[in-house]
Amino acid sequence: GAVVSQHPSWVICKSGTSVKIECRSLDFQATTMFWYRQFPKQSLMLMATSNEGSKATYEQGVEKDKFLINHASLTLSTLTVTSAHPEDSSFYICSARVRGEQFFGPGTRLTVL
Amino acid sequence: SQQGEEDPQALSIQEGENATMNCSYKTSINNLQWYRQNSGRGLVHLILIRSNEREKHSGRLRVTLDTSKKSSSLLITASRAADTASYFCATDSSGTYKYIFGTGTRLKVLA
Repeated sequence: GAVVSQHPSWVICKSGTSVKIECRSLDFQATTMFWYRQFPKQSLMLMATSNEGSKATYEQGVEKDKFLINHASLTLSTLTVTSAHPEDSSFYICSARVRGEQFFGPGTRLTVL
Repeated sequence: SQQGEEDPQALSIQEGENATMNCSYKTSINNLQWYRQNSGRGLVHLILIRSNEREKHSGRLRVTLDTSKKSSSLLITASRAADTASYFCATDSSGTYKYIFGTGTRLKVLA
């Protein structure tokens, strides 16, 4: 199957700072990637669809100015959590679609102090 | 919310018993996937079943799909303590590429 990686796997930051999370497709090109957020003991919620070379599409209720998505190449999408606050602490997972299937990255655990 | 529903929310069984989890969704789909997630870890893909399929097997796993009822079930036979995890279904709606996850079932298998 296709491999999706994320970096970093975990990050701790101070409130008010910005954090960038990378999602890479290692052995395939992905024109579309997806970003999910998962709070403890809850399911994954789709945040946005990342489109290579164009603006991301955000789900209802997700602040596009707070969660900046850049899909600058066919193998890399980045999610930047700007001015992070403790309530942004969560598990962030990306995925990429190829050959009709979705492949998920291992996730990034963000803790905002 | 577009999110699918899973039941039960939590399930506790003895090792060796079978575990059945159900998933219901709201829109027409291309396919449905089941995932496992151990506490604090990433997703592990279990099975993909396409909308034109009714049943699929993989080892101790059996998945059924009823598109008329917009529902799917995951059966784990002869459960083991290592099967303890959360299980999620995810569907991609026809016409979109977005995967929407169900609410999940937390399975605990007691040794």
